Amino acid sequence: DADVTQTPRNRITKTGKRIMLECSQTKGHDRMYWYRQDPGLGLRLIYYSFDVKDINKGEISDGYSVSRQAQAKFSLSLESAIPNQTALYFCATSRRDEQFFGPGTRLTVL
Amino acid sequence: AQSVSQHNHHVILSEAASLELGCNYSYGGTVNLFWYVQYPGQHLQLLLKYFSGDPLVKGIKGFEAEFIKSKFSFNLRKPSVQWSDTAEYFCAVNAPYGNNRLAFGKGNQVVVIP
Repeated sequence: DADVTQTPRNRITKTGKRIMLECSQTKGHDRMYWYRQDPGLGLRLIYYSFDVKDINKGEISDGYSVSRQAQAKFSLSLESAIPNQTALYFCATSRRDEQFFGPGTRLTVL
Repeated sequence: AQSVSQHNHHVILSEAASLELGCNYSYGGTVNLFWYVQYPGQHLQLLLKYFSGDPLVKGIKGFEAEFIKSKFSFNLRKPSVQWSDTAEYFCAVNAPYGNNRLAFGKGNQVVVIP
């Protein structure tokens, strides 16, 4: 039973489409994060949230937006997808210092 | 802001060989240090972490890492690798009294040949 789940796991879309990636957690953590992973670049932080009313930009927030609908849910949206947003997207949660990652969403923008 | 450097992005070695992956960070204050592993097609899993205390940290699957404060390093080691250690390894750092954001290195892709 996964503590951090992401939907969808795979998605192929076209340039210009709006896409939402969803993350849910059952760990009871306040802090949630969205990262993207690109080969050779590691993980880069897109947005993070320390509680429902707190949203912060990460390193690479341009072209993305987020919504923290509840303590357990944190969604990432691509307003108008472009091909260089093709990547593996990970959600993570933490209470303090250690982060726990979801299984990832592989997004391809054609 | 802290940054993390990992060298030798691709590492290929034979089973039973020893592995050492370097990690250096740039941050002058107190840090928490992590190594995460990502097996093919899977999500990141914590391998080991250092918050304080003994600078030699033992993790899962026979891995260990040593924190050397004077060198701003947290190198990962395993004396004898197995084929199942084929994975990508990420070093990460955060400042516990700052905004708690994790900074990741670019990763080491390790391939163990049977």
